[in-house]
Amino acid sequence: GAGVSQSPSNKVTEKGKDVELRCDPISGHTALYWYRQSLGQGLEFLIYFQGNSAPDKSGLPSDRFSAERTGGSVSTLTIQRTQQEDSAVYLCASSSSGMETQYFGPGTRLLVL
Amino acid sequence: TQLLEQSPQFLSIQEGENLTVYCNSSSVFSSLQWYRQEPGEGPVLLVTVVTGGEVKKLKRLTFQFGDARKDSSLHITAAQPGDTGLYLCAGAGSYGKLTFGQGTILTVHP
Repeated sequence: GAGVSQSPSNKVTEKGKDVELRCDPISGHTALYWYRQSLGQGLEFLIYFQGNSAPDKSGLPSDRFSAERTGGSVSTLTIQRTQQEDSAVYLCASSSSGMETQYFGPGTRLLVL
Repeated sequence: TQLLEQSPQFLSIQEGENLTVYCNSSSVFSSLQWYRQEPGEGPVLLVTVVTGGEVKKLKRLTFQFGDARKDSSLHITAAQPGDTGLYLCAGAGSYGKLTFGQGTILTVHP
């Protein structure tokens, strides 16, 4: 498929464990975004990558959250010492450049028990 | 902090009825976008409005952008069950970062 893919589609973990969420953007898209969607907060921006750099990390909620992007392609969002309030759908989007249309993946549904 | 207020939060109507969803911003964004999201999927872009006073039509959907570029509306004519879903407005800021409204859950009953 030519769209944005994310894995895993669902993740159940225990409080205190670390999790890694993966995003494969559309080939050739230089801009990549992570968002979080939860019942209480709606859809919130987390971090923006242009290439392998992250000029805007302002949405990361705490230092337990980090993200990296390698080769200008795949990105990984890592949550350390997960808490129950981290339960949400984590969405990734990519665009051909920073101001163009964003295409969203199907998301990873994270449940922290 | 830029905020987007979307209303109503829930809308339940019968097939054939018309509806309007509103999106109001506390400040001006470079553009305002409307998305539709279905369960288990990511949001899909419906339209982008940029110019104050702009009106765009997409089949039975009409999108308006206020003159001051702070408010927008989505009007659906003769709603169909296939229109059921979550509708989101979003303002684009620096780097294309999106600020979303709370969303409107639309249910159209046959």
